Amino acid sequence: DAGVIQSPRHEVTEMGQEVTLRCKPISGHNSLFWYRQTMMRGLELLIYFNNNVPIDDSGMPEDRFSAKMPNASFSTLKIQPSEPRDSAVYFCASSLFSAGGTSSNSPLHFGNGTRLTVT
Amino acid sequence: DQQVKQNSPSLSVQEGRISILNCDYTNSMFDYFLWYKKYPAEGPTFLISISSIKDKNEDGRFTVFLNKSAKHLSLHIVPSQPGDSAVYFCAASVGYGNKLVFGAGTILRVKS
Repeated sequence: DAGVIQSPRHEVTEMGQEVTLRCKPISGHNSLFWYRQTMMRGLELLIYFNNNVPIDDSGMPEDRFSAKMPNASFSTLKIQPSEPRDSAVYFCASSLFSAGGTSSNSPLHFGNGTRLTVT
Repeated sequence: DQQVKQNSPSLSVQEGRISILNCDYTNSMFDYFLWYKKYPAEGPTFLISISSIKDKNEDGRFTVFLNKSAKHLSLHIVPSQPGDSAVYFCAASVGYGNKLVFGAGTILRVKS
């Protein structure tokens, strides 16, 4: 089991540029989550998918953020245009059931994150 | 408005002693609570959980206590070990199948 794989690990970009973060969930998991971690707010849920369908995107901060899940093994989070306040660590997580980590039998499995710096 | 609050940004404990990490929540509808642990440069990993029908859940050195009337939960680690040094996140959800709301995390340092 390779775990949740995120790329890139680090991304440094200039304000106004487009940024695309990628995620490969654990095979067989049917729910996928994008979280953002900042010092002030901790881990914030941006959006989650169940069976490739977006279920709740209420955490997406602005229209500059968009996420897609074209198939069960791949998801992207795009920021266009990026701004310095978007600098954070972005985590992707997957789980076996739509509970999304609300059961000890189906906890969230997180990737190692992408550290985004927008200058 | 943060619904899950971890008011202590950091905690330092001597090896072998008890570590107590605290978490408060404001949403009385939360009925499932979890703790996640995170090492540097890694994603958080699930540690222990408790449902609102219980007030205590134990797993080895880790015990979570829930006080519903105070809207407060705590994680006890006994005895603490240097390998426990990490960031600990408290999380909560309303019902099974709903999204997790995380706190800001507490950095635990266990000194040997």
